[in-house]
Amino acid sequence: NAGVTQTPKFQVLKTGQSMTLQCAQDMNHEYMSWYRQDPGMGLRLIHYSVGAGITDQGEVPNGYNVSRSTTEDFPLRLLSAAPSQTSVYFCASSYGLAGGDTQYFGPGTRLTVL
Amino acid sequence: GQQVMQIPQYQHVQEGEDFTTYCNSSTTLSNIQWYKQRPGGHPVFLIQLVKSGEVKKQKRLTFQFGEAKKNSSLHITATQTTDVGTYFCAGRTGTASKLTFGTGTRLQVTL
Repeated sequence: NAGVTQTPKFQVLKTGQSMTLQCAQDMNHEYMSWYRQDPGMGLRLIHYSVGAGITDQGEVPNGYNVSRSTTEDFPLRLLSAAPSQTSVYFCASSYGLAGGDTQYFGPGTRLTVL
Repeated sequence: GQQVMQIPQYQHVQEGEDFTTYCNSSTTLSNIQWYKQRPGGHPVFLIQLVKSGEVKKQKRLTFQFGEAKKNSSLHITATQTTDVGTYFCAGRTGTASKLTFGTGTRLQVTL
């Protein structure tokens, strides 16, 4: 099992550019989430999904889109990058409430917006 | 919305000293989880507590869930340099799909 994989590991964007952060898991997890981590602010939930075809907003969804067409993949799209989106982004997956709820995190993507 | 705060934000200890981080929620939690993140790494699950007043131990780590299920603590006995990292709690309200993470406590251990 590769677990949760994220690409790219590092990315530099200019203000206004768009891009997609990729996340995939091979554990057949129903739940997938995107978090951003900023110094002193912990992990903040951006968007999450409880299954293929179902997504919902988290705590800080503005400026981001997600879709979940398959169980394995959960890409995060930045529509028009802003310097405030400079952060480390983590994707996580789990079996969900009935399956023990442990979150498995990917290695993260460090994004810098100039 | 639900808020989960942790204190302290940062603690620096000498190796061998004990360490405790506290997690407080604004709402009653159905469960509480603890994660550890090494510098430059990603969060890794440590444990989950579900019952009111529950206490669990993992070697030198002791986890407690408060009677009211609104607070939790992680205590490390006789810290080692391998304990360095940021410790996060994360809580869920009822059957909510969202997991809310605390602000984290960064632990530094020196010889």
